[in-house]
Amino acid sequence: GAVVSQHPSWVICKSGTSVKIECRSLDFQATTMFWYRQFPKQSLMLMATSNEGSKATYEQGVEKDKFLINHASLTLSTLTVTSAHPEDSSFYICSARGFVGTGEPGNTIYFGEGSWLTVV
Amino acid sequence: GEDVEQSLFLSVREGDSSVINCTYTDSSSTYLYWYKQEPGAGLQLLTYIFSNMDMKQDQRLTVLLNKKDKHLSLRIADTQTGDSAIYFCAETRGTASKLTFGTGTRLQVTL
Repeated sequence: GAVVSQHPSWVICKSGTSVKIECRSLDFQATTMFWYRQFPKQSLMLMATSNEGSKATYEQGVEKDKFLINHASLTLSTLTVTSAHPEDSSFYICSARGFVGTGEPGNTIYFGEGSWLTVV
Repeated sequence: GEDVEQSLFLSVREGDSSVINCTYTDSSSTYLYWYKQEPGAGLQLLTYIFSNMDMKQDQRLTVLLNKKDKHLSLRIADTQTGDSAIYFCAETRGTASKLTFGTGTRLQVTL
């Protein structure tokens, strides 16, 4: 079953509004979570690395004031797209680094199901 | 910087074996992963291999690692239509490092 849950799966918002996407690790604590953006038929683009209790580290070219990331607890990180525009429409995926006890390396990264954002 | 390359597309017949290849440039990679992404969904971890291993088998999946050539492959035996998806290889250097993804290989399984 899923070990990382994202919500919502789909969201449509009006241009100029803000939208929040949640990423939760299930049954394990994730000190580090990652947020990606994926364009159609392309690989994942890392946007930022989120560490619990500290400020997120953004990749070059990603506007930190536009994509607000909060990692307030060991099981929850949120991405808020502020003042969304149609060009922000994309598939956003979060992942969490953790150990779920199935024999994998302790730093294995598990992914959420993704969130489709459409800005109209 | 790190670079991970994959071929974009592979088509196989149901029941045949599929081999998806991946090359990477970072010689300090310690963990290598294969993820599967179905349309409109997140990534599912399929398998992983440590850099000090050269092979790992897990049911229908076989991972081969040639560290000298920095080449990783994923073999899927008895490929089924449900295996149709995009497969990403990824590497990381250690416990605090981010994943670097390959470009993804779209596997199409035909009847």
